Amino acid sequence: DVKVTQSSRYLVKRTGEKVFLECVQDMDHENMFWYRQDPGLGLRLIYFSYDVKMKEKGDIPEGYSVSREKKERFSLILESASTNQTSMYLCASRPRGREYDSPLHFGNGTRLTVT
Amino acid sequence: QKEVEQDPGPLSVPEGAIVSLNCTYSNSAFQYFMWYRQYSRKGPELLMYTYSSGNKEDGRFTAQVDKSSKYISLFIRDSQPSDSATYLCAMRYNAGNMLTFGGGTRLMVKP
Repeated sequence: DVKVTQSSRYLVKRTGEKVFLECVQDMDHENMFWYRQDPGLGLRLIYFSYDVKMKEKGDIPEGYSVSREKKERFSLILESASTNQTSMYLCASRPRGREYDSPLHFGNGTRLTVT
Repeated sequence: QKEVEQDPGPLSVPEGAIVSLNCTYSNSAFQYFMWYRQYSRKGPELLMYTYSSGNKEDGRFTAQVDKSSKYISLFIRDSQPSDSATYLCAMRYNAGNMLTFGGGTRLMVKP
């Protein structure tokens, strides 16, 4: 079974702090994604990566950056956390291919609170 | 207006009921349609996948796409308490990476 592991289930940070959210997958997937999930807004894509050191902006990249130095690990960075970044963050991965053959595999999420 | 609209619920039904979950969308270019199920404290998991219009059945679940009305549905027959979860529709234009998600509908099936 594919496993996508997010390092923290809950995080509480202060405004202005630099925050790192870590995600590791164990199935050698090329593609990795960071989403945030807010009530009523669904999942919104922040960034994705289709290979090591490659990244693409999603729908809401402002205030975030990412790092992918190794294939299995994809980090989301909040350079200076703000209260409007309080949210549930979901990491996902999938191999190259069509959605039918290779659905997104999600981690269980990190609930970040910025005070 | 959001590209994909979904009633947030909660939708509460008795065990054994037929459940209908729906999404409407505004962009006729969407071709690939998915339903994800998300249990509490878990990440979403793919439940159903359809391409273009038509129906697809998998056990107690049927996914239906009506592109002319820009409307997709997920039907659950003989609903069980274990079906209690949030159901997210998702869609995209082509075989690329970008999915657009609805806001999710929370379903509660009461024994």
